[in-house]
Amino acid sequence: EDQVTQSPEALRLQEGESSSLNCSYTVSGLRGLFWYRQDPGKGPEFLFTLYSAGEEKEKERLKATLTKKESFLHITAPKPEDSATYLCAEAIGSQGNLIFGKGTKLSVKP
Amino acid sequence: EAGVTQSPTHLIKTRGQQATLRCSPISGHTSVYWYQQALGLGLQFLLWYDEGEERNRGNFPPRFSGRQFPNYSSELNVNALELEDSALYLCASSKDRAQETQYFGPGTRLLVL
Repeated sequence: EDQVTQSPEALRLQEGESSSLNCSYTVSGLRGLFWYRQDPGKGPEFLFTLYSAGEEKEKERLKATLTKKESFLHITAPKPEDSATYLCAEAIGSQGNLIFGKGTKLSVKP
Repeated sequence: EAGVTQSPTHLIKTRGQQATLRCSPISGHTSVYWYQQALGLGLQFLLWYDEGEERNRGNFPPRFSGRQFPNYSSELNVNALELEDSALYLCASSKDRAQETQYFGPGTRLLVL
């Protein structure tokens, strides 16, 4: 069964305290691994797409990496405005839809 | 460049009624996707339209239906509303059906009383 598992479910950091979020995905037939940020009551905001193991992408304090079984979202020196739910999703085969994990709710305290 | 737009932002209906939600994709995007995000649950795939055709649907009953218009905008219809249909309905678009990145709209919050 296609499945995306994110951990931890929730993460509380102090401002400046770096950490990583994990996403385990279905290995067979992966066509893309996506990271989104979602603020409460709003639509997900696209962050990164990764296509192959070893690929890395960066944007400000965020860096996404992909291995053969997992993806990581590294957050360096986070600020309170980075507080949000971070969603990981996979695209499999020719289905069209994305399969989402339940997300990691990040809270960064000043 | 304008993003994905959805209307209305909020919708309140009573059980048994019908709801119609609308979505306009990013200019140049031909694929439109609908997702449901119920409280405490992840995003669940509903429907995928491309070039006016339904290409795939998720594990939802037939009372969830929709269509895509020639200008690529889309409509989601939910018939015989049930209380558990209360959720945030999200529309996303992509350039084509080659698994391009999906960009999401702000969503329509549907409340069924």
